[in-house]
Amino acid sequence: NAGVTQTPKFRILKIGQSMTLQCTQDMNHNYMYWYRQDPGMGLKLIYYSVGAGITDKGEVPNGYNVSRSTTEDFPLRLELAAPSQTSVYFCASRSDRGLETQYFGPGTRLLVL
Amino acid sequence: ILNVEQSPQSLHVQEGDSTNFTCSFPSSNFYALHWYRWETAKSPEALFVMTLNGDEKKKGRISATLNTKEGYSYLYIKGSQPEDSATYLCALPMDGANNLFFGTGTRLTVIP
Repeated sequence: NAGVTQTPKFRILKIGQSMTLQCTQDMNHNYMYWYRQDPGMGLKLIYYSVGAGITDKGEVPNGYNVSRSTTEDFPLRLELAAPSQTSVYFCASRSDRGLETQYFGPGTRLLVL
Repeated sequence: ILNVEQSPQSLHVQEGDSTNFTCSFPSSNFYALHWYRWETAKSPEALFVMTLNGDEKKKGRISATLNTKEGYSYLYIKGSQPEDSATYLCALPMDGANNLFFGTGTRLTVIP
């Protein structure tokens, strides 16, 4: 099992550009999450999904969009990149059982200049 | 948003020392508490999930206790090693337990 994979590992964007951060998991998990990690701020939830076709906002969704057309994939879209979106982005997934831990991908480091 | 607090924010200990740090949380409507270990330039990895008051979990030199009535959990590391250097996060479920709310973590540095 590859677990949770994310691409790209690192990207530099200009202000106003758009991009999609890819996330794939091969564990057949229904629950998937996108977090951003800012220094001293811990992990903040951007969006989450409880299954294919279902997504919902987390704590900091502004400036992002997601889709969940398959169980495996949960891409995160930035439409108009802003410097405030410079961060490290982590995707995670877990199984349906309520107490299951989340499995994290390796992260995508994004710099918006 | 949950009021999850971790202390201290950072900690330096000598190799071989034992150490502990705290996660505080609202004691009402407790469901579960997760501990994660997060090494620099890597992704968070689960350590423990704790659910019952008085729970104690152990994994090698790392152990954790839970007091749901007073709203805290302690993480202990016995005989710290340089490879224990990491940020330790606690997290609690929110939004009907679909999501976790993470504390800001305790950053541990073990000095050889």
